[in-house]
Amino acid sequence: DVKVTQSSRYLVKRTGEKVFLECVQDMDHENMFWYRQDPGLGLRLIYFSYDVKMKEKGDIPEGYSVSREKKERFSLILESASTNQTSMYLCASSSLAGGPYEQYFGPGTRLTVT
Amino acid sequence: TQLLEQSPQFLSIQEGENLTVYCNSSSVFSSLQWYRQEPGEGPVLLVTVVTGGEVKKLKRLTFQFGDARKDSSLHITAAQPGDTGLYLCAGEGYGQNFVFGPGTRLSVLP
Repeated sequence: DVKVTQSSRYLVKRTGEKVFLECVQDMDHENMFWYRQDPGLGLRLIYFSYDVKMKEKGDIPEGYSVSREKKERFSLILESASTNQTSMYLCASSSLAGGPYEQYFGPGTRLTVT
Repeated sequence: TQLLEQSPQFLSIQEGENLTVYCNSSSVFSSLQWYRQEPGEGPVLLVTVVTGGEVKKLKRLTFQFGDARKDSSLHITAAQPGDTGLYLCAGEGYGQNFVFGPGTRLSVLP
């Protein structure tokens, strides 16, 4: 069974803190993605990665950075958390091996910044 | 820019009723996925359709990909409370990125 795990289901941080969200997949997928999901705005892509040490900006990268040191792990970093980063964060992975390309999601991290 | 629209935005029905939700775009997609998301959880992949005109069935759920690969529909027969959730469609866009629709929030009342 495919599996994407995220380090925390719920997280509460203070404004200005540095926040790390971790994502691990066990499917040997090349692609990994970070989204945020907000009511009325749907899923918005923050960053994605096609390979180890590679990263590409998505639609809303401002205020975020990412790290991919190992194929199975993709980390999202909030350098200085702000209240407008309160959201549901979803990690996903997909394979490059042939098509169609299907994304598999983790359970999400509900982040609250106070 | 590739965009996906979904309709209706909200749907509340009684158990046992049938329903159809729609996913539309002006763009062509290589493939299209349907997900169901329950509150507080990540989206779970239900099906992927690839060929124009393709129909796939998953128990009481029937998925169809439009002939031109620009739209898709999800039909649920005899809906049950367990079908409640947010239904998302996603198209495989450029460079293996995915374009998501805003979702249809379905509530099936017992």
